[in-house]
Amino acid sequence: SQQGEEDPQALSIQEGENATMNCSYKTSINNLQWYRQNSGRGLVHLILIRSNEREKHSGRLRVTLDTSKKSSSLLITASRAADTASYFCAFTGNQFYFGTGTSLTVIP
Amino acid sequence: GAGVSQTPSNKVTEKGKYVELRCDPISGHTALYWYRQSLGQGPEFLIYFQGTGAADDSGLPNDRFFAVRPEGSVSTLKIQRTERGDSAVYLCASSPNPITDTQYFGPGTRLTVL
Repeated sequence: SQQGEEDPQALSIQEGENATMNCSYKTSINNLQWYRQNSGRGLVHLILIRSNEREKHSGRLRVTLDTSKKSSSLLITASRAADTASYFCAFTGNQFYFGTGTSLTVIP
Repeated sequence: GAGVSQTPSNKVTEKGKYVELRCDPISGHTALYWYRQSLGQGPEFLIYFQGTGAADDSGLPNDRFFAVRPEGSVSTLKIQRTERGDSAVYLCASSPNPITDTQYFGPGTRLTVL
């Protein structure tokens, strides 16, 4: 069963703009992670935020977590063409779930 | 050290055949996970191991799927009597500990059942 959803499904922006992706989930979680995937293979871990954290930064990435709303957002600032990929949230509760993914295209 | 590796990278088989997919986790990682990903979708959890034992296999779709990790390191996902619907990318990940730690993914095995 689908436990996580992301929106938008697809996002196209100009290089230099910011990109925001949202993840909503249904279960209680221990932590939430964001991954990037190119070409349908090889998920690359970006950032992990624990359930008792509200915001976390890593370079150009900013992640927020609102456990009361069961939602998280990933912000990529000053986007680059190389950021073009699919982005997934993943969370651990009783099991391990991934969201449906956001396909980001950064136009040079 | 090396990351998670998976072999083969691609596997083409015929309907009804048996296949084995291998995963070599990062050395020292006690937790190992298998996922399946169809085109345009997020990974779907199949099973995870803590050490040698399957701690949660509730994601395995049916009894044609089986996975082992006999020495707590390398794992093999086995699929019997393959069906066309089994075609997907099978991803393996490992982490130092389950639940709380980052999962590191291998490149995946693309399985095509003709």
